[in-house]
Amino acid sequence: TQLLEQSPQFLSIQEGENLTVYCNSSSVFSSLQWYRQEPGEGPVLLVTVVTGGEVKKLKRLTFQFGDARKDSSLHITAAQPGDTGLYLCAGGANYGQNFVFGPGTRLSVLP
Amino acid sequence: SQTIHQWPATLVQPVGSPLSLECTVEGTSNPNLYWYRQAAGRGLQLLFYSVGIGQISSEVPQNLSASRPQDRQFILSSKKLLLSDSGFYLCAWRYRDRVFTSSGAFFGQGTRLTVV
Repeated sequence: TQLLEQSPQFLSIQEGENLTVYCNSSSVFSSLQWYRQEPGEGPVLLVTVVTGGEVKKLKRLTFQFGDARKDSSLHITAAQPGDTGLYLCAGGANYGQNFVFGPGTRLSVLP
Repeated sequence: SQTIHQWPATLVQPVGSPLSLECTVEGTSNPNLYWYRQAAGRGLQLLFYSVGIGQISSEVPQNLSASRPQDRQFILSSKKLLLSDSGFYLCAWRYRDRVFTSSGAFFGQGTRLTVV
């Protein structure tokens, strides 16, 4: 069974600060996704990374896939209160197989 | 565009009662379908996934079962609920076509189940 770990588990920062959260595994993934979830709602897909070393940017969010495709990071620049939420990484080996999630990083950005 | 519907949004059921949660997807064909459970403030635990009608894979032994009677319909059931079945249940779909093997999952709004 493929497992994903995320760190830190909790993060509380002030508005305007930068932060990085991590997603790690001992397994190789064909792709990894990042999601943000707000209380009482389903997770919303932010990005998919596929190629080892790939970097994708979404406004103030920068996502990177490790060269060996076993880990990924999410960097937020100048965090805002609207960035508050549970950030989840997820991945799978091939289509049709199970699609597993990490435990998440709960981010709180204080105004 | 594709949409996913999951209902009900909240449910309070007594211990020992049956359960049926339904999820339907519109705007796509042959999706992979998933049921997840999420404990408060935690990550998602995969319960079941399906790659086609009548094809169900179970990831965790439990008091629950799943069925896929139609291509875009996925049902989560229980004959007798336990207190430990309480949680936030999420249905999701992914593209199955090989071209989209890197597809992420698209989630419904979730069902908050409280077993009392």
